[in-house]
Amino acid sequence: GENVEQHPSTLSVQEGDSAVIKCTYSDSASNYFPWYKQELGKGPQLIIDIRSNVGEKKDQRIAVTLNKTAKHFSLHITETQPEDSAVYFCAAGLMDSSYKLIFGSGTRLLVRP
Amino acid sequence: SQTIHQWPATLVQPVGSPLSLECTVEGTSNPNLYWYRQAAGRGLQLLFYSVGIGQISSEVPQNLSASRPQDRQFILSSKKLLLSDSGFYLCAWSRGGSRETQYFGPGTRLLVL
Repeated sequence: GENVEQHPSTLSVQEGDSAVIKCTYSDSASNYFPWYKQELGKGPQLIIDIRSNVGEKKDQRIAVTLNKTAKHFSLHITETQPEDSAVYFCAAGLMDSSYKLIFGSGTRLLVRP
Repeated sequence: SQTIHQWPATLVQPVGSPLSLECTVEGTSNPNLYWYRQAAGRGLQLLFYSVGIGQISSEVPQNLSASRPQDRQFILSSKKLLLSDSGFYLCAWSRGGSRETQYFGPGTRLLVL
């Protein structure tokens, strides 16, 4: 079955710097890759997603890149702010035939003021 | 706009007691509904999903069951809780006919003692 590995498990950056979180997936048929942000005690919130027919997607300070050949995708946050501090999860799924998203283990991002 | 509710927010239950967690969605019809469990410091594991009233698919055989008595209501149950059932339970929904873009509720934190 699909397996998603996420790195690093923790990431500390200075406010204003960039943060990069990387995920690899095992099933080359996966075609949908969302990223979620989870604040303490709350449910995950979708922040950006990408489909396999696209290599990169941006939304203001957030961008996601996908390398289908290498089976990895990354989340890039530029000009980080303290409110970006949270746990970030990547996920992968074959949405043509399955309802199941496989999640990475999460990255705890700390943005130091 | 669509909103998703879960209750209770927190629950402490003794081993062997029954469980009932409820999730409701507003502002949409015929959504796909999902139950996930998140162990401490871990990613999300899909437990059940439903594409319609009375239609439940189980992803992980275990001590839990799910039911969908109404279009926008999803219930997670157990007859006898185990210590290992402790965790953060999240309900999610996606638009009917779409497997992508899952939106999560605020979650229920369950502690089994």
